[in-house]
Amino acid sequence: GENVEQHPSTLSVQEGDSAVIKCTYSDSASNYFPWYKQELGKRPQLIIDIRSNVGEKKDQRIAVTLNKTAKHFSLHITETQPEDSAVYFCAARDNQGGKLIFGQGTELSVKP
Amino acid sequence: KAGVTQTPRYLIKTRGQQVTLSCSPISGHRSVSWYQQTPGQGLQFLFEYFSETQRNKGNFPGRFSGRQFSNSRSEMNVSTLELGDSALYLCASSLGPGGPTGANVLTFGAGSRLTVL
Repeated sequence: GENVEQHPSTLSVQEGDSAVIKCTYSDSASNYFPWYKQELGKRPQLIIDIRSNVGEKKDQRIAVTLNKTAKHFSLHITETQPEDSAVYFCAARDNQGGKLIFGQGTELSVKP
Repeated sequence: KAGVTQTPRYLIKTRGQQVTLSCSPISGHRSVSWYQQTPGQGLQFLFEYFSETQRNKGNFPGRFSGRQFSNSRSEMNVSTLELGDSALYLCASSLGPGGPTGANVLTFGAGSRLTVL
């Protein structure tokens, strides 16, 4: 079955710097890759997603890139702000509408 | 539009007991997925239901079970509770497989925090 590895597990950056979180997946049939943000004590919320027919997607300060050949995808946050501090999860799902498998999460800390 | 509602939000049980958690999806959503969240383990997939049928199942023992009703509401049950079952149980709903782009986007509930003593 699908397995998703996420790195790093913790990431600390200064406000204004960029942050990059990387994930790899095992199932080449996977074609949907969302990213969720979970603030302390709150539920995970979708921040951006990408499908396998697209290599990159941007939404203001966040972007996701996908390399299907290497089976990895990354989240890029530019001009980080303290409110970006949270746990970020990547996930992968196959094109048969299979289960959504999550990575282990990255705890991002943005220091003012 | 109401979000995903989970009840109860908090509960404390002792080893050996059983527990039932409930999830009401967003109106119109027919798919419900359950995840277990523990520190350091991330979000572990339990099962997914669509149209009252279990579509997918994770690698959890048979003590974990679930079901979905005709109104798409779902319940999960854990029998013979163990200390290691202490976790936040998250439910997420989506429109369901197939359909237009975005049909599979999961929206999470606030979770049910289970403590086993």
